[in-house]
Amino acid sequence: QSVLTQPPSASGTPGQRVTISCSGSSPNIGSNAVNWYQQLPGTAPKLLIYSSNQRPAGVPDRFSGSKSGTSASLAISGLQSEDEADYYCAAWDDSLNAWVFGGGTKLTVL
Amino acid sequence: EVQLVESGGGLVQPGGSLRLSCAASGFTFSSFWMNWVRQAPGKGLEWVANIKQDGSEKYYVDSVKGRFTISRDNAKNSLYLQMNSLRAEDTAVYYCLRSMGVWGQGTTVTVSS
Repeated sequence: QSVLTQPPSASGTPGQRVTISCSGSSPNIGSNAVNWYQQLPGTAPKLLIYSSNQRPAGVPDRFSGSKSGTSASLAISGLQSEDEADYYCAAWDDSLNAWVFGGGTKLTVL
Repeated sequence: EVQLVESGGGLVQPGGSLRLSCAASGFTFSSFWMNWVRQAPGKGLEWVANIKQDGSEKYYVDSVKGRFTISRDNAKNSLYLQMNSLRAEDTAVYYCLRSMGVWGQGTTVTVSS
């Protein structure tokens, strides 16, 4: 049972826009920024979004993040086959004094 | 180029110990919090521990408190995770992270008799 809640799966067709949600609570998302990670099959995760809505250098602007209250979202526009991966949200939790992750969302490009 | 290279994983019996290392290069190691994150086979990501730049603050996930110890040697640009009293549920790929941004390639720990 993860502290942050994500849908286990999501899907879309090439070119579509998909969003993945991440629900938390006051000590984590409600108080701190959210990171998003992409994990392609068989590889180490990669930082996709930091500080809730910032993209590291090299991440396409098709990927965007937002946060409102105790929830966050990752949006992927212009979906491509290479976006098929697992996506995780994470935030620092002030009550646990720990980083907490969502359970992950498996994105399928149909 | 920023690089993190983990080592020290392997097969260990329940109750045994293992020390993971992470060699950092391409950045000023002493300027960053460092983290360990693990991923059990077929499962999601779980943060394990982190350590402040000068080692003065350390935090752990509840499931490893009292068994794992995170440490660093800024002179050697290295991060460590001493794992004692290992359990089957500690079986995972262990990743070293700079802050919560850059990831290493991971090292596999298998706890089994």
